Amino acid sequence: DTGVSQDPRHKITKRGQNVTFRCDPISEHNRLYWYRQTLGQGPEFLTYFQNEAQLEKSRLLSDRFSAERPKGSFSTLEIQRTEQGDSAMYLCASNRQQTQETQYFGPGTRLLVL
Amino acid sequence: QKEVEQNSGPLSVPEGAIASLNCTYSDRGSQSFFWYRQYSGKSPELIMFIYSNGDKEDGRFTAQLNKASQYVSLLIRDSQPSDSATYLCAVSGGYNKLIFGAGTRLAVHP
Repeated sequence: DTGVSQDPRHKITKRGQNVTFRCDPISEHNRLYWYRQTLGQGPEFLTYFQNEAQLEKSRLLSDRFSAERPKGSFSTLEIQRTEQGDSAMYLCASNRQQTQETQYFGPGTRLLVL
Repeated sequence: QKEVEQNSGPLSVPEGAIASLNCTYSDRGSQSFFWYRQYSGKSPELIMFIYSNGDKEDGRFTAQLNKASQYVSLLIRDSQPSDSATYLCAVSGGYNKLIFGAGTRLAVHP
């Protein structure tokens, strides 16, 4: 257990529904990252926050995806109008604002879109 | 060309042998290099990180970095069946996102 928690751990939804995932980083970590991992691939970067500011977004993050970190603590990732291609493991990671600081991953949320 | 490349495997080694996992990367500006282990259905777990050319040892694990050749490797000595997992190589250009390879599956058989 790295200290990064994610909720829910599993989510099954029907195509077209909206889903929201939560990530609670390690308390002293001010940087938070979201990644997506599909079967047989490594995690792909989606977005990251430094405190409450969203500083970078991948082109993978379509208009249907939105992430927030309103108070610089926990973060939410929402997917609107889910598609079957959104089925994946959504991983959250955190670290401190230092060069080369290791990222620690949460357990992930596994999403299945039917 | 993918930014981080790994042989997908599976790499099969007998128990007690040395497992050698390799990774190449395309961005010469990369500064930090990480090896994560991922068991099936679980999230990545940090094994080692390396920033400077040369070798870095931690227990049964040794990471090797050659920036001129854009090459990173992980050696696992005295491999155990519990080492059977997917090993992910990740590269960072600074303090933000990690770029991962697709991973190498390692199978250690008794």
